Amino acid sequence: QKEVEQNSGPLSVPEGAIASLNCTYSDRGSQSFFWYRQYSGKSPELIMFIYSNGDKEDGRFTAQLNKASQYVSLLIRDSQPSDSATYLCAVKKGTGFQKLVFGTGTRLLVSP
Amino acid sequence: DAGVIQSPRHEVTEMGQEVTLRCKPISGHNSLFWYRQTMMRGLELLIYFNNNVPIDDSGMPEDRFSAKMPNASFSTLKIQPSEPRDSAVYFCASKNRVWGNEQFFGPGTRLTVL
Repeated sequence: QKEVEQNSGPLSVPEGAIASLNCTYSDRGSQSFFWYRQYSGKSPELIMFIYSNGDKEDGRFTAQLNKASQYVSLLIRDSQPSDSATYLCAVKKGTGFQKLVFGTGTRLLVSP
Repeated sequence: DAGVIQSPRHEVTEMGQEVTLRCKPISGHNSLFWYRQTMMRGLELLIYFNNNVPIDDSGMPEDRFSAKMPNASFSTLKIQPSEPRDSAVYFCASKNRVWGNEQFFGPGTRLTVL
């Protein structure tokens, strides 16, 4: 079992729809969760991070965390063609740790 | 401010040759990470340094790989000898260990070993 699992996609949504990206992790000791966006041929860039169970909102993005289910998701409201990219979920064990473990990413395609 | 700088951006070499990738972290950042990204395995951490000291090199695939950080503003990742399966994009990232959660990634080096 991989430490961080994501569906590779592609996930196709029409412009204006809500895109829902999901990630599961295996280590119950994980405490910090990150979503990175990576455009084709570019480097990853951080979108959001979340520590606590529940939802965290930032503009059109909402991260959701359920530690009991070992599940973290990213919702993108009012999806735009410019959101088309690969979204990487990353997990860190705790504040004393620096290492991020990444999933293989989900490719999102937003059609006009 | 300049971001993480990596060189070269592209490297094409022949099997058996030595390859050296270079990274300059963001000034003031004291943690540095080397990653490798392939289609099959995704983004994998190879090694990371805190204050120029290697902390975790468990991701280094084998003895052909070595990394150094002689000072706070420079790091190298060396592959000797290189093999075709080393072909990948290698990213360097840096972070301030004390504050902030974000690892800032460089543009990457695309390595092709023929």
